[in-house]
Amino acid sequence: KAGVTQTPRYLIKTRGQQVTLSCSPISGHRSVSWYQQTPGQGLQFLFEYFSETQRNKGNFPGRFSGRQFSNSRSEMNVSTLELGDSALYLCASSREFGQGEKLFFGSGTQLSVL
Amino acid sequence: GENVEQHPSTLSVQEGDSAVIKCTYSDSASNYFPWYKQELGKRPQLIIDIRSNVGEKKDQRIAVTLNKTAKHFSLHITETQPEDSAVYFCAAIPGGTSYGKLTFGQGTILTVHP
Repeated sequence: KAGVTQTPRYLIKTRGQQVTLSCSPISGHRSVSWYQQTPGQGLQFLFEYFSETQRNKGNFPGRFSGRQFSNSRSEMNVSTLELGDSALYLCASSREFGQGEKLFFGSGTQLSVL
Repeated sequence: GENVEQHPSTLSVQEGDSAVIKCTYSDSASNYFPWYKQELGKRPQLIIDIRSNVGEKKDQRIAVTLNKTAKHFSLHITETQPEDSAVYFCAAIPGGTSYGKLTFGQGTILTVHP
């Protein structure tokens, strides 16, 4: 069974631009979470989607948004990019939403903002 | 919200020695504690997890212990091997919260010298 797939693997953008990252969960998994990983802040939760609805949100500004499609695939968008948005963005999936479901990560999209 | 502290930030051991990484959490309602291993340039991988109704769990050379009273949990790796070198993250989930919304510790860089 294929793992969590994220595209693209690398992205270079300039300040003020916007970016869209894509995530395909493990087949049969219906819940998708997004995390930002930086050397200084570690792994921080962005948001979680299930049944095309955002179920949880972390402490990030409104420039960070996401969505989930009917096939469980998810995208996250960052608008008006800032230098501090440079990070590894990780997507993770679980079978269902809620307690008791283990979380499996993708390899991430490395975003560099110049 | 939940806060997870992880120590040490770096750990260096000789091959064959044991390694111990400790985490403390703040929310006494937390009930799920996974550990992830992230090799350089790769995805975080779930290596072991424990729920609050269990005090210890083992899987070959890896074990996790949980002390709910003190609100801390630890990862123990015995007979370390060079391939154990990686960054290890602990995480916690408050009761009633989806497992997709993990709060991570800052990570421990483990180096195993041959």
